[in-house]
Amino acid sequence: EADIYQTPRYLVIGTGKKITLECSQTMGHDKMYWYQQDPGMELHLIHYSYGVNSTEKGDLSSESTVSRIRTEHFPLTLESARPSHTSQYLCASSEGDFPGNQPQHFGDGTRLSIL
Amino acid sequence: TQLLEQSPQFLSIQEGENLTVYCNSSSVFSSLQWYRQEPGEGPVLLVTVVTGGEVKKLKRLTFQFGDARKDSSLHITAAQPGDTGLYLCAGAGRYGGSQGNLIFGKGTKLSVKP
Repeated sequence: EADIYQTPRYLVIGTGKKITLECSQTMGHDKMYWYQQDPGMELHLIHYSYGVNSTEKGDLSSESTVSRIRTEHFPLTLESARPSHTSQYLCASSEGDFPGNQPQHFGDGTRLSIL
Repeated sequence: TQLLEQSPQFLSIQEGENLTVYCNSSSVFSSLQWYRQEPGEGPVLLVTVVTGGEVKKLKRLTFQFGDARKDSSLHITAAQPGDTGLYLCAGAGRYGGSQGNLIFGKGTKLSVKP
């Protein structure tokens, strides 16, 4: 049973459009993450947040931006989508003081395709 | 840069066979997690190993963390079609710019045929 929800599950859209990928969790976790996953490649962390009004860029450079106005909500926005943004985007959350020792709970992802 | 190398990348076996997948790094990790991801879904945590040399069992799955905390293995006994999926290892750095966030390997894609 999923306590972390991502919408939409699939999105096919033209170049230049503004896109927002939604992620919500009901577990009250302070820590939330966005990963990018391409076939045959590892998950790359693109953004993370340790709480409300806290956002940081991850290891993989991304043109997307995020916001964390509420604990449960961590949307990702692309102001002007390009074909290079085509990928699967996974949202996750975790609790605890040291993220590495706590399980991350993942949503089912948004598969984004930019034409 | 901390990297996790997983091998093999692909594995196709018959039901009932045993298998081992590996996760190796030149870096030390404070802990290592194993996830399984099925098509169209997000990864789901299987286990976290924290202590060097630690062995954890989850039914037919046995996980081991290397003594030096640089590597880990996952052994599946008598594989079943339900074990099919992408197995990902993820390490948490002891220090560093990623604030202890997880670093993922590319995964081992396992297919178990009936």
